[in-house]
Amino acid sequence: DIQMTQSPSSLSASVGDRVSITCQASQDISKFLNWYQQKPGKAPKLLISDASNLETGVPSRFSGSGSGTVFTFTISSLQPEDIATYYCQQYGHLPYSFGQGTKLEI
Amino acid sequence: QVQLQESGPGLVKPSQTLSLTCTVSGGSISSGDYFWSWIRQPPGKGLEWIGYIYYSGRTYYNPSLKSRVTISVDLSKNQFSLKLNSSTAADTAVYYCTTDGGDFWGQGTLVTVSS
Repeated sequence: DIQMTQSPSSLSASVGDRVSITCQASQDISKFLNWYQQKPGKAPKLLISDASNLETGVPSRFSGSGSGTVFTFTISSLQPEDIATYYCQQYGHLPYSFGQGTKLEI
Repeated sequence: QVQLQESGPGLVKPSQTLSLTCTVSGGSISSGDYFWSWIRQPPGKGLEWIGYIYYSGRTYYNPSLKSRVTISVDLSKNQFSLKLNSSTAADTAVYYCTTDGGDFWGQGTLVTVSS
């Protein structure tokens, strides 16, 4: 099974900051990586698919990059509504698997 | 726009079978556009992928749960279901049904395993 190591596990930042989260796969997953945002009591929301493809309606301050085993998720200018937990998920190999999450605080 | 809704008991006794159903609207499971997945999240913890099913009945289960999991589909009702037998407290979680690409999710349902 592929292990997804996400870092940091928590992050404190200020409004307007540039924030980055890293996800490392234990094997090559090509570009097959999703990034999700989850707010308390809600289902995760897909923000980015195929490592860098921004989903329709998602603000352009969110972006993703990487391929193979190392991936990065970036918020270019942090907004108050971005407070949430973020997860990466690989779908390059079965079983699909998630990173352990990054809790973003202001 | 595909919508998913989980339903089932919120409380299951230890050693019993946890059973949930996901009703799909706004799209047909028979279309073959998606694989249909179950994902769970223990309280305060991360996400675990359980498995998926295709309209043909083809399934794949996470090896960590494979011996206890069955996912099935009912095309006539546009539903798919999850059964997890021999439940323990470790199975207490919010269970989500989703499309395999993660673009559509149900709201989630909390299932507590307790006597």
